[in-house]
This record gives sequence, C-alpha cells and structure tokens, in this order.
Amino acid sequence: EPEVTQTPSHQVTQMGQEVILRCVPISNHLYFYWYRQILGQKVEFLVSFYNNEISEKSEIFDDQFSVERPDGSNFTLKIRSTKLEDSAMYFCASSVRLAGAVGQETQYFGPGTRLLVL
Amino acid sequence: KQEVTQIPAALSVPEGENLVLNCSFTDSAIYNLQWFRQDPGKGLTSLLLIQSSQREQTSGRLNASLDKSSGRSTLYIAASQPGDSATYLCAVPNNAGNMLTFGGGTRLMVKP
Repeated sequence: EPEVTQTPSHQVTQMGQEVILRCVPISNHLYFYWYRQILGQKVEFLVSFYNNEISEKSEIFDDQFSVERPDGSNFTLKIRSTKLEDSAMYFCASSVRLAGAVGQETQYFGPGTRLLVL
Repeated sequence: KQEVTQIPAALSVPEGENLVLNCSFTDSAIYNLQWFRQDPGKGLTSLLLIQSSQREQTSGRLNASLDKSSGRSTLYIAASQPGDSATYLCAVPNNAGNMLTFGGGTRLMVKP
C-alpha cells in the first residue's frame, strides 16, 4: 500500500541553524500538508500546498518557514533560523482531491521527523 | 474558529471490554470527520473517515458515528485488545478542506 515517507526520522540542530525536512507524498496525490506536534500537545496545522502554491497557512507558519516542491516527488519544509520552541514532531501529509469533492478526502500522514533544537 | 475536544483524555480498560471514545467540535459545518490512531513516538494512521452525510462508518471492530447537529462523534471499539493501546485522535477539515483541526486525543490502554 502506498505511503507517505519522511526523512530524516530524527534531527538535532543548534538554535539559529537552518533545517530542511523532507517528505515524499503518495504518488497520485495533489495536496500536501505539514503539521507539527509539540510534545504533549495537540497536532497543529502549519501549511497546505497545491499546484505549487500555498493554499492555506496558520499563524505558526511565519517568515521563518517555507515549503517547496523541488521536483515531482519531494515536498520540503525549511525552517531558516531554528528556535528552541521549534522542537516538535513534524508530520507531512498528502491527499488526492477529487473533482467536486472538496473536503471529502482522507489525509494520509507520514511517520514524522522529530526535531530537537538545542 | 473550530475547536475540537476529546473526552476522556485517558482511559484504561481490561481486555475484551467494549469502549467508546468521544469527540466534540464547535462548528458543525463540517465535510467529514477523521479518526486516527497514534502509537507512542509514531505517525498518525487513518482509521476511519465519516462523511457529513453519513451517520456511521465501520471498519472491523471499529465503528464511528457522527451527529453533526450536536457537534459530536464517537468511536466505538468492540472487544478491545492490548494491541489497541494507543492514542486516538479525531480531526475535522475547514471549509476549504485544506487543513485539519485536531482534538487532544484519548490515550487508551488495554490491559491483558
């Protein structure tokens, strides 16, 4: 069964460093998402991406964050200058959007990247 | 702004028991509601997606119900097993369907 994959599984970085988290969505999916989960807290939406554009972003997704689909398979989240509070599990998700079926599709999640900022 | 709440936050039951997990949401204008399972330190596994036009959705020992008008969903797990131990999350999409709002989860432990 196709699945979303993410690399790396764990990343440790120093405060102020840039990190890039990578995701390979399911191949026929058109919508891509990033979420994060700070330890002990709810899963929070960061950004959604469709047709090479951001379609929605949350207040968390400020100028320190960016997303990119550099090729036909990868979807990346970049944090330019990490802060201690960026430490979290970051999840990538993807979904297929059927014509006339807004909001009816399942989002499939990857296993996550655990980011620790020291 | 949509708020999603799950009660109880934690639940411990003996093996074999049937149980119900609750999810409530403040804005009833939803397209669907999705239930996920999360094992410790792991990703989210989609269990069931119940459309707004449906009242119930079943998968094996799992049954999800949805009452949009009252802003509630329940996940019923029949004949629980130790392997069901995990955190169960519910989530609803926004009007554009491009973001999910999650509840805080119910941490379930099924004791042998």
